[in-house]
Amino acid sequence: GAVVSQHPSWVICKSGTSVKIECRSLDFQATTMFWYRQFPKQSLMLMATSNEGSKATYEQGVEKDKFLINHASLTLSTLTVTSAHPEDSSFYICSASRGPNEQFFGPGTRLTVL
Amino acid sequence: QKEVEQNSGPLSVPEGAIASLNCTYSDRGSQSFFWYRQYSGKSPELIMSIYSNGDKEDGRFTAQLNKASQYVSLLIRDSQPSDSATYLCAVTYNTDKLIFGTGTRLQVFP
Repeated sequence: GAVVSQHPSWVICKSGTSVKIECRSLDFQATTMFWYRQFPKQSLMLMATSNEGSKATYEQGVEKDKFLINHASLTLSTLTVTSAHPEDSSFYICSASRGPNEQFFGPGTRLTVL
Repeated sequence: QKEVEQNSGPLSVPEGAIASLNCTYSDRGSQSFFWYRQYSGKSPELIMSIYSNGDKEDGRFTAQLNKASQYVSLLIRDSQPSDSATYLCAVTYNTDKLIFGTGTRLQVFP
């Protein structure tokens, strides 16, 4: 149990386009979902915390208008990178929480912006 | 600024040896502590969690927590080449938000 999926697993897009990444908890309802970003040879940096039915909480320095998060149900959260630029190229990872100290990670989405 | 620090490595150990990974954290309010393993190009996978002072063992892995000294460590016994990965230390405070360290790259050579 406790499987989290992400789609797509990788995406290449042109500069200026928008990209949507889906995160799904497949066999449990997630009270909270988190979005992380990881640049090469760096650690995971939390971007935002998402609760179903409410606005996401963004970490300091993360542009909420650029990284749109929608948490429409207890099993689905989406991250949309708007007007993507090459510096947004990164590994985006979501996680879903089933309860305190029970956070499960998705497999990640590698975004490359040309 | 809550920080989690790890030696970036690489830490090289021979197969069969004990690998010792260390992590320090800045905030005494830290409540929960985690070790994740991350292979290149993959997302992290949880190895151990520890919440109270002392040792916690799970198979070849032992996590050690010392809240007074604000450090948490991971020991890997009988290291195998398949253990070669980056090990991430993470802590939480009053919420489920994970604060990650920069990771230590472990290399186990045959």
